[in-house]
Amino acid sequence: GAVVSQHPSWVICKSGTSVKIECRSLDFQATTMFWYRQFPKQSLMLMATSNEGSKATYEQGVEKDKFLINHASLTLSTLTVTSAHPEDSSFYICSALRGGRTQYFGPGTRLLVL
Amino acid sequence: QQQVKQSPQSLIVQKGGISIINCAYENTAFDYFPWYQQFPGKGPALLIAIRPDVSEKKEGRFTISFNKSAKQFSLHIMDSQPGDSATYFCAASMAQGGSEKLVFGKGTKLTVNP
Repeated sequence: GAVVSQHPSWVICKSGTSVKIECRSLDFQATTMFWYRQFPKQSLMLMATSNEGSKATYEQGVEKDKFLINHASLTLSTLTVTSAHPEDSSFYICSALRGGRTQYFGPGTRLLVL
Repeated sequence: QQQVKQSPQSLIVQKGGISIINCAYENTAFDYFPWYQQFPGKGPALLIAIRPDVSEKKEGRFTISFNKSAKQFSLHIMDSQPGDSATYFCAASMAQGGSEKLVFGKGTKLTVNP
């Protein structure tokens, strides 16, 4: 149980384009999901908290207009990187909250912006 | 006060040995302490978690020891195997307005030699 999927697993795009990443909780409903960014050999950096049916809460320093988050249902949250640039290349990971305290993570999406 | 300090940064253990990773925190409002295991290119996977009303929790070869007065907790991996080679993250969270955000340590890269 507690499976979280992400799609796509990797994406290459040209600078200036937008990329959408999906995060799904497959076997449970999640009113809260989180989006993280991870640089090589570093820890996870929380970008935003996504709540179903309401606006996402962004961490300090994260541009909400650049990283659009939509949590339209209890099993799906999406992260759209708008007008992507090479510095946005990273490993993006989502997690879903289950049982009040436990976060289950997706497999991650590697984004490369050329 | 929001930091979780993790040590060592890297650890090399022989097969069959005990791997020990330590974490310390300052904020006494933290009340949930999970450990995650991450393989390269994958999302973190929940290993084991503990709450401060328990001093020790064991699941298979993995044990968390918790010292509330010292504000420290540690992960012990008994009979370490090459398949345990991964990066381990400790984390902490508090029930703050229902956000349940995790604060991660910087990670420990464990290598278990055959």
